[in-house]
Amino acid sequence: NAGVIQTPRHKVTGKGQEATLWCEPISGHSAVFWYRQTIVQGLEFLTYFRNQAPIDDSGMPKERFSAQMPNQSHSTLKIQSTQPQDSAVYLCASSPDWGASAETLYFGSGTRLTVL
Amino acid sequence: AQSVTQPDARVTVSEGASLQLRCKYSYSATPYLFWYVQYPRQGLQMLLKYYSGDPVVQGVNGFEAEFSKSDSSFHLRKASVHWSDSAVYFCAVSVDLPGTGSNRLTFGKGTKFSLIP
Repeated sequence: NAGVIQTPRHKVTGKGQEATLWCEPISGHSAVFWYRQTIVQGLEFLTYFRNQAPIDDSGMPKERFSAQMPNQSHSTLKIQSTQPQDSAVYLCASSPDWGASAETLYFGSGTRLTVL
Repeated sequence: AQSVTQPDARVTVSEGASLQLRCKYSYSATPYLFWYVQYPRQGLQMLLKYYSGDPVVQGVNGFEAEFSKSDSSFHLRKASVHWSDSAVYFCAVSVDLPGTGSNRLTFGKGTKFSLIP
């Protein structure tokens, strides 16, 4: 079991460019979460999916951020027109069962996004 | 407002000393409660979780946490710390949000734990 795989590990973009971050959850896990981690704000919830359906995107900045889960084997987080304040570590996590009970989240190592 | 508070940004103790990391939550219902740990340059790993039953729950590597409904707290403890325990520790809560179908996991800002050299 390779765990949650996030690619790339590091991404550098220029201001105004687009960034796409990839997450491959653990096989068989039904829930996928995205978080953003910074020194100042800590771990911020962005969005999560259950059985590929979006459940809660209340943490997503409305205008430039979007997340998809087109199949059970991967999810993407897309940031359009990146800004320096988007610089952060973006963490993806999956869970075998996140329904009525809250099971363990298994985190990837994250993608460090740097916007110049 | 619903929140998770870790009042101590940093905690430092000597090797072999005991450790307590504090966590307070503010929710109308009893949430699922978790402690996660993040070692340098790694993702987060769960140490333990609580929902019901015995208020003292045991986790990995000698960690335990105690739930207090009256105090709305879920403090993490370890009797004797080692250098390998140096990390950032996060308290987290999950609670059903009425009318949304969501029970997202919300983290505190974390407590950085290190040992006195």
